[in-house]
Amino acid sequence: GAGVSQTPSNKVTEKGKYVELRCDPISGHTALYWYRQSLGQGPEFLIYFQGTGAADDSGLPNDRFFAVRPEGSVSTLKIQRTERGDSAVYLCASSPLAVTDTQYFGPGTRLTVL
Amino acid sequence: KQEVTQIPAALSVPEGENLVLNCSFTDSAIYNLQWFRQDPGKGLTSLLLIQSSQREQTSGRLNASLDKSSGRSTLYIAASQPGDSATYLCAVPGNNRLAFGKGNQVVVIP
Repeated sequence: GAGVSQTPSNKVTEKGKYVELRCDPISGHTALYWYRQSLGQGPEFLIYFQGTGAADDSGLPNDRFFAVRPEGSVSTLKIQRTERGDSAVYLCASSPLAVTDTQYFGPGTRLTVL
Repeated sequence: KQEVTQIPAALSVPEGENLVLNCSFTDSAIYNLQWFRQDPGKGLTSLLLIQSSQREQTSGRLNASLDKSSGRSTLYIAASQPGDSATYLCAVPGNNRLAFGKGNQVVVIP
């Protein structure tokens, strides 16, 4: 079946602009995660959804970052007033139910803030 | 807070040699440990998930061992091939997330 998909694959924006990154998880997976990966680093946790609710958003770096999952499937990560330091690869993952299940990752969105 | 370390950070081996990649973690109270592969510019592909009750998990040429008490896991790749060139990441779950190491960047030289 289809894996996790993310759009766009690449996003170039100017400092101060607003961006939205989309994640389409594996059908039926209730758990969804966003991570951010900088060059040479492992992914760092941003936010975890269980169904429609954000169960843990403690990894969001500041209030410019926000994510939603209104129907418990597709999720959107929103970044306001982008800064050059936001440049990274944003990865989405889903798992059937719990964080201890195998997590399946999407291909990522490479965000570049000029 | 769980800290995950992977050594070596990078290694190059000639084709046919066995690869040994190490992962250590600070909190031994883990539920499982997952190994991933990441190709340049791509997402993560799950290779193996080893439960805390297991000592080994095998898939083809890949074998992962887990020593929970010492906080270590090792990924062995037998008879390496150029197609094995990638970054390998280990991760442990906890606090609603996976905690990752920085990865082992592997180059297999033909």
